[in-house]
Amino acid sequence: GAGVSQTPSNKVTEKGKYVELRCDPISGHTALYWYRQSLGQGPEFLIYFQGTGAADDSGLPNDRFFAVRPEGSVSTLKIQRTERGDSAVYLCASSSTSSLTDTQYFGPGTRLTVL
Amino acid sequence: AQSVTQLGSHVSVSEGALVLLRCNYSSSVPPYLFWYVQYPNQGLQLLLKYTSAATLVKGINGFEAEFKKSETSFHLTKPSAHMSDAAEYFCAVSGRGNNRLAFGKGNQVVVIP
Repeated sequence: GAGVSQTPSNKVTEKGKYVELRCDPISGHTALYWYRQSLGQGPEFLIYFQGTGAADDSGLPNDRFFAVRPEGSVSTLKIQRTERGDSAVYLCASSSTSSLTDTQYFGPGTRLTVL
Repeated sequence: AQSVTQLGSHVSVSEGALVLLRCNYSSSVPPYLFWYVQYPNQGLQLLLKYTSAATLVKGINGFEAEFKKSETSFHLTKPSAHMSDAAEYFCAVSGRGNNRLAFGKGNQVVVIP
């Protein structure tokens, strides 16, 4: 079956602009995660959804970052007033339940470049 | 909070030789531990995971890892490297009570013919 998909694959924007990054999880997966991977680093947790609600948003770096999952499927990560330091690969993952031992399946990521 | 340490960002191994990637964890609660692989232009793929059952865990592509509580380690091994093993490998930990994975910085593995 289809895996996790993310669009766009690449996004170039100017400092100060607003961007939206989309994640389509594996069908039927109730848990969805966003991570950010900077160059030379491992992925860093941003936010976790169980169904429609954000169960843990402790990784969001500041209030410019926001994420939604209105129908419990597709999620959008929104970044306001982008800064050059926001440049990174944004990864989305999903798992079938919220069990801690469930495998998180990752998408290919969106590479965001802020000029 | 949980964390993992992976030393040596780049690892070179000869084709047919042992692959050994080290991972040490820090956790205040019994951990769950994972190894992921990332091939160029692809998403992270799970190699194997430790979830408190057997301490020796076998994964895909001939990889295995052993959980050693006394050493707080979860090192990844493969007896004989293939050219197709060239990729970046990440160790990750999660703790009971939260779903977030904390990743190490990764090891870029280069296989020399």
